[in-house]
Parts: sequence; structure tokens; C-alpha cells
Amino acid sequence: GDSVTQMEGPVTLSEEAFLTINCTYTATGYPSLFWYVQYPGEGLQLLLKATKADDKGSNKGFEATYRKETTSFHLEKGSVQVSDSAVYFCALDSSGGSYIPTFGRGTSLIVHP
Amino acid sequence: NAGVTQTPKFQVLKTGQSMTLQCAQDMNHEYMSWYRQDPGMGLRLIHYSVGAGITDQGEVPNGYNVSRSTTEDFPLRLLSAAPSQTSVYFCASSYQAGGSVNNEQFFGPGTRLTVL
Repeated sequence: GDSVTQMEGPVTLSEEAFLTINCTYTATGYPSLFWYVQYPGEGLQLLLKATKADDKGSNKGFEATYRKETTSFHLEKGSVQVSDSAVYFCALDSSGGSYIPTFGRGTSLIVHP
Repeated sequence: NAGVTQTPKFQVLKTGQSMTLQCAQDMNHEYMSWYRQDPGMGLRLIHYSVGAGITDQGEVPNGYNVSRSTTEDFPLRLLSAAPSQTSVYFCASSYQAGGSVNNEQFFGPGTRLTVL
């Protein structure tokens, strides 16, 4: 079945540091890939997405590139801020006919001033 | 659009009590689902629905019931609350069931449930 593996957290960084959160996946067909963010006390919200190989999703300074050859969708940001402290979830939506999206376990990011 | 709304935001129950968590969306979405979120466990799917009148079990359905009589509403019922059901519950919806390239999930703000 489909699966998503994310690096375990928490990831702790100083403000203005470079961020990478690794995400790899296993899926049938040609999935769409997503990153969601969950700020403290809130529900998840879409951060960015990519729908086919080599697509780059971007939003709020975050980027992720759909790499079919390595089945990866790593999240990056060049300079994090304290306000980026949140939990980040990698997810996929398979074209293989499953009704259910698959989420990773989430990676907590803590950014210190 | 209000998006996905959930009520209540917080709830405390005693063991054995029953209650219904409400979820509604105003985006005419086909797919709706319920998750629970526990520390270190990520999101776990409880039940889901691909349209009005159609529901199915997810990963952790025991102790919960759902129904989908309208497109907009997808309530989650706890039949006899247990301390193991202490969690944060999220309702989510998307335009259609899986396979759509634009199938973004929209989440509600969550219900924080404590069972004593």
C-alpha cells in the first residue's frame, strides 16, 4: 500500500538557518504530493503541492520538488523565522484508486530567536 | 465560505458518556473524514465518506460511529467514552475522493476531548 516516511523531529534551528525536512514515499500510479503545516492549536492547512514529476511547489518561502527517481519530496526554506515553528506533514494522494490520502507522521520544527 | 467547522472546540466527558462531535463544510465537497491526533502517533483515520449515504471505516474505527445524511454534515459519535479516546479530533474534506490532482484536504480547527 501507499506510505509516506518523514524524518523524525523535533528539528530545532536558530532564526535565519536553512531548513530541510526529508520526505520519501511509496505509491502506486502517479501520486500528487503535498506538504501541510499545523500551527499550535490549529488544524492542518496546505502549504504547497506538486502534481507530477519534476514539479516544484512553493509558498511562503518554502519549496519542495517532486523527485520521481528518488521518490522524494523534501521541504526546504532558505531562512526560517520564529513564526515558522509548527508541525509539518508530508502527504500523498494516489492516482491508483484509493479514496484515502496518506499522511506522514509529522515533523515538529522549533525555531529559536 | 466558512470552510470546515467543528463543534465543540473543547469537551470533557466522564467514562461511559456518549456525545457527538459535529463537522460541517460549505464547499460542496464529496469526501469527508475524521482523524484523531495523539502525541507521537501522527494522524489516524477513524472513518471516512465518499458521498452522502456512504461511509467506511478507517484505521481506528472501534468505539466510533458516523453517518452522512447530507453532503455538508459528517458527525462523529462516541458511543461510550473511554479514557483511551482522549485526543484531538479533526474533520477534513476534499472536493472528491482520491485520484484528483487538485485534491487538497481542508481541515477543521479540531475538537479537544478529555475523557475522565
